[in-house]
Amino acid sequence: DAGITQSPRHKVTETGTPVTLRCHQTENHRYMYWYRQDPGHGLRLIHYSYGVKDTDKGEVSDGYSVSRSKTEDFLLTLESATSSQTSVYFCATGQGAQIGELFFGEGSRLTVL
Amino acid sequence: AQSVTQLDSHVSVSEGTPVLLRCNYSSSYSPSLFWYVQHPNKGLQLLLKYTSAATLVKGINGFEAEFKKSETSFHLTKPSAHMSDAAEYFCVVSGSSGGSYIPTFGRGTSLIVHP
Repeated sequence: DAGITQSPRHKVTETGTPVTLRCHQTENHRYMYWYRQDPGHGLRLIHYSYGVKDTDKGEVSDGYSVSRSKTEDFLLTLESATSSQTSVYFCATGQGAQIGELFFGEGSRLTVL
Repeated sequence: AQSVTQLDSHVSVSEGTPVLLRCNYSSSYSPSLFWYVQHPNKGLQLLLKYTSAATLVKGINGFEAEFKKSETSFHLTKPSAHMSDAAEYFCVVSGSSGGSYIPTFGRGTSLIVHP
């Protein structure tokens, strides 16, 4: 199995505070993705990266930023958390080829009070 | 552009009966299609994938799916449900967008298995 670890796994924070979630991979996959999962919505793409320092927006990117300074790490930052960002966040990685599958972390549960 | 529609938000079956989870897709090119399973409080695990080879794809735990281009469908089936199959299932289409590969997820189908 691909080694995808997310941290923290659980976090409770207050509205207006900054939050950073970290995704770390050991598989040297080119692509990394951040999704959020909410009931009735499945997984929605927030941001993705196709290489070091190469990132792009997904369908629900407002209020989020990302950075990828090295292949193995992909950070998701909420500059000023809001209650609507309470969710479970999943990191995924892949080789990006059309035949490639995604490998997922265990998820990070964020609660914004 | 690409999209995925999972036609049922919940499917309820009895243990030992067949399972059918329906997925329709839309894509402007030849897509790759996947089914993932998510057990409670876990990440997602690949069940099977279609990548333009055989249209009938076999996956893990007895699941299979058939790619039907004329119907733009990729339904997931299993002949006999087991209690351990109770989980959330996601259909995913993946293709190129401006040179990057963007997987798009359906909203998920919750499979409930009754004893």
